[in-house]
Amino acid sequence: ETGVTQTPRHLVMGMTNKKSLKCEQHLGHNAMYWYKQSAKKPLELMFVYNFKEQTENNSVPSRFSPECPNSSHLFLHLHTLQPEDSALYLCASSRSMIGLAGGLDEQFFGPGTRLTVL
Amino acid sequence: KQEVTQIPAALSVPEGENLVLNCSFTDSAIYNLQWFRQDPGKGLTSLLLIQSSQREQTSGRLNASLDKSSGRSTLYIAASQPGDSATYLCAVRSGTSYGKLTFGQGTILTVHP
Repeated sequence: ETGVTQTPRHLVMGMTNKKSLKCEQHLGHNAMYWYKQSAKKPLELMFVYNFKEQTENNSVPSRFSPECPNSSHLFLHLHTLQPEDSALYLCASSRSMIGLAGGLDEQFFGPGTRLTVL
Repeated sequence: KQEVTQIPAALSVPEGENLVLNCSFTDSAIYNLQWFRQDPGKGLTSLLLIQSSQREQTSGRLNASLDKSSGRSTLYIAASQPGDSATYLCAVRSGTSYGKLTFGQGTILTVHP
């Protein structure tokens, strides 16, 4: 596998369920990101991890819980979600998260998980 | 707060046309600007990244320009093909928040044969 992979690709869950989204990057990058893409809204950054440490939480509700066990893996744990949380959840990675010349902070995206909350 | 606007929201052109997509941003203190392509229901594919010190980048039939002082970028697509049909997203990396990309809403491009 190359690039950034995400599983599952599609997920349907009830509001009382607990599920997890998984992201894995095979690029040797150090920074990983979770984004949310809702219909008719721009992509929104949710979380940023750099060398396994969370560096940004963009005012995300606590029903979304990220986990980054190592620089290659990123999880998003979901519990008691609402129907308005239905969206495409995208994971991205970059070699660095600091603005450096040479495009070292260029972000590469996975295919996303299409989440539907009933 | 950085805001990114893309115009037009949608564009339909015949095959072979040259076209320009526009992106504007409110805070000129950026590290870089990235153009992406997104196919329906899919993730994002990075097309071009322009550092704040650069004026343009080229890749094949694509050329992106950056005018940081006026807060504008354009993506030029030469000799468009039906396979270019997708949503094109512009995102800026602001100088005040490491790692955070602020996205525009995108331009939906349809190239018909």
